[in-house]
Amino acid sequence: AQRVTQPEKLLSVFKGAPVELKCNYSYSGSPELFWYVQYSRQRLQLLLRHISRESIKGFTADLNKGETSFHLKKPFAQEEDSAMYYCALGTAGKLVFGAGTILRVKS
Amino acid sequence: GAGVSQSPRYKVAKRGQDVALRCDPISGHVSLFWYQQALGQGPEFLTYFQNEAQLDKSGLPSDRFFAERPEGSVSTLKIQRTQQEDSAVYLCASSPFGGGGSQEQYFGPGTRLTVT
Repeated sequence: AQRVTQPEKLLSVFKGAPVELKCNYSYSGSPELFWYVQYSRQRLQLLLRHISRESIKGFTADLNKGETSFHLKKPFAQEEDSAMYYCALGTAGKLVFGAGTILRVKS
Repeated sequence: GAGVSQSPRYKVAKRGQDVALRCDPISGHVSLFWYQQALGQGPEFLTYFQNEAQLDKSGLPSDRFFAERPEGSVSTLKIQRTQQEDSAVYLCASSPFGGGGSQEQYFGPGTRLTVT
């Protein structure tokens, strides 16, 4: 079965500290993985996808097939990064989401 | 340009009532998706259209849920005889691509349904 696990409901860091939001997946095929973000009072939007291997707003995520992980990282957190982050697995067109992690960046 | 829009934004229904939720995708987008998001959870897939064809409805929780997209643009999600467990945010998303591969999906603001 396809499943996405985000083990932390809440991650609280100080401004300038490194951030790592964890995501593990279960999928038998070749995965397509995404990170979506929802800022306060805004709609869900794509942050990045593994296939493009790009850095968006300083965030990167590397697909590790051996560990079935797709952790989201940023070296120096900023207050405007505070949001809900969802890891998602793409399969046959649809997305399977994790439960999400709230990131709080404290000043 | 305009993004995905959904109406109503909020709906309160008495248990047993029927409701209809509307989604206007981005113009020209081929694929349209419906997701259900319960409180504290991530969105869960309900159903997927490519143009007017409903290609996957495996996520619909019961036969009380029905979705249509008759002209390949606007979609309606209908829930008959609502139950309390139907209370959730219903998200619509669209994508310019078809073909079954997973691409970026553009989400609407959601409709928050509360069944009392």
